[in-house]
Amino acid sequence: GAVVSQHPSRVICKSGTSVKIECRSLDFQATTMFWYRQFPKKSLMLMATSNEGSKATYEQGVEKDKFLINHASLTLSTLTVTSAHPEDSSFYICSASSGAPNEKLFFGSGTQLSVL
Amino acid sequence: GQNIDQPTEMTATEGAIVQINCTYQTSGFNGLFWYQQHAGEAPTFLSYNVLDGLEEKGRFSSFLSRSKGYSYLLLKELQMKDSASYLCAVRTGANNLFFGTGTRLTVIP
Repeated sequence: GAVVSQHPSRVICKSGTSVKIECRSLDFQATTMFWYRQFPKKSLMLMATSNEGSKATYEQGVEKDKFLINHASLTLSTLTVTSAHPEDSSFYICSASSGAPNEKLFFGSGTQLSVL
Repeated sequence: GQNIDQPTEMTATEGAIVQINCTYQTSGFNGLFWYQQHAGEAPTFLSYNVLDGLEEKGRFSSFLSRSKGYSYLLLKELQMKDSASYLCAVRTGANNLFFGTGTRLTVIP
């Protein structure tokens, strides 16, 4: 099956710094990538949808200046948490789609962000 | 907005059968997925329904009724390793996937 690689798996940073998370589709071209956030014992919350070569579409309540998404190529999307604060601490997961009809999404392994 | 509901927690006995329900009210429907997620890991795909009826895959089956906005995941012959969260997700458009609240299943001996 398709493989989506996400790095880093865990990051600890100081408050005020920025953190970049990478999501790569290893064996297919991902026209669309999705970024999710998950709090402990909660389900996944869709943050934004990114399409290669265009601006990301953010869900209501998600600050686009806070969570910068770049999808510059068909195999790479990045999420940058800018000026991180402790409340940004969460599990972030990306998923990717080749755009084929009715295709299931493939998920990255997730990034646990802890902001001190 | 999208509304996808599941029971928060369930407990079942090893070897038994458990049914996890999911009801949804979404703007658009283009398929329903069930994923399994162990703590700290990414979700793994279990099943996909786009037409009404039952889809069976080994110990797992999933049912969909679009008119009722209802699905269930059926797990048979429960094993301890089935203890996990089970996420119901609805695709509303081309590929937008919205997740339900998730059900934490605990399998006891």
